[in-house]
Amino acid sequence: DAGVIQSPRHEVTEMGQEVTLRCKPISGHDYLFWYRQTMMRGLELLIYFNNNVPIDDSGMPEDRFSAKMPNASFSTLKIQPSEPRDSAVYFCASSTLGETQYFGPGTRLLVL
Amino acid sequence: GENVEQHPSTLSVQEGDSAVIKCTYSDSASNYFPWYKQELGKRPQLIIDIRSNVGEKKDQRIAVTLNKTAKHFSLHITETQPEDSAVYFCAAMNTGRRALTFGSGTRLQVQP
Repeated sequence: DAGVIQSPRHEVTEMGQEVTLRCKPISGHDYLFWYRQTMMRGLELLIYFNNNVPIDDSGMPEDRFSAKMPNASFSTLKIQPSEPRDSAVYFCASSTLGETQYFGPGTRLLVL
Repeated sequence: GENVEQHPSTLSVQEGDSAVIKCTYSDSASNYFPWYKQELGKRPQLIIDIRSNVGEKKDQRIAVTLNKTAKHFSLHITETQPEDSAVYFCAAMNTGRRALTFGSGTRLQVQP
């Protein structure tokens, strides 16, 4: 198995632009998680899905952030409009039963 | 919500020595406690986990202990090697909610 796949690996954009991050979970996993990592705030859970349904989005910082999971093999995290404070590494993780979570390689986002 | 505190923030040991990292959690309903290792620029990787029905778990040079009464758990690495140098994160989860709350991380440096 290729593990969790994320794209792009790096993204540089200008403030106000739309950013879309993509994730393909491990086949057969029924939970998908989006995390954000910064030096100041550490690793934070943004949202997670179970069987493609959003379960907990209490970590989504504001309305500029949205996430979807249209099928079991694909999820997106969108930021519109982006701001410099959104600069971070965004990780996607997947699991079965929601416990042991396997992280993707992350997307390093820089908003200028 | 859950709050996880982790100490120390940095730890430097000589090769061959033991290293201990400690975490406390606030939610008595938490029942799953994983530890992740993150090398610079890489994804967090699970190294060991423990569930609340177990007090201790060991995997070669790594062990984790859990004290549910005191709400703290610890990671023990014996016979440290330079390749153990990384940032280590503890986390706690209430498996009813499936959301991992991470500690702030410990940067471990093993001096050859």
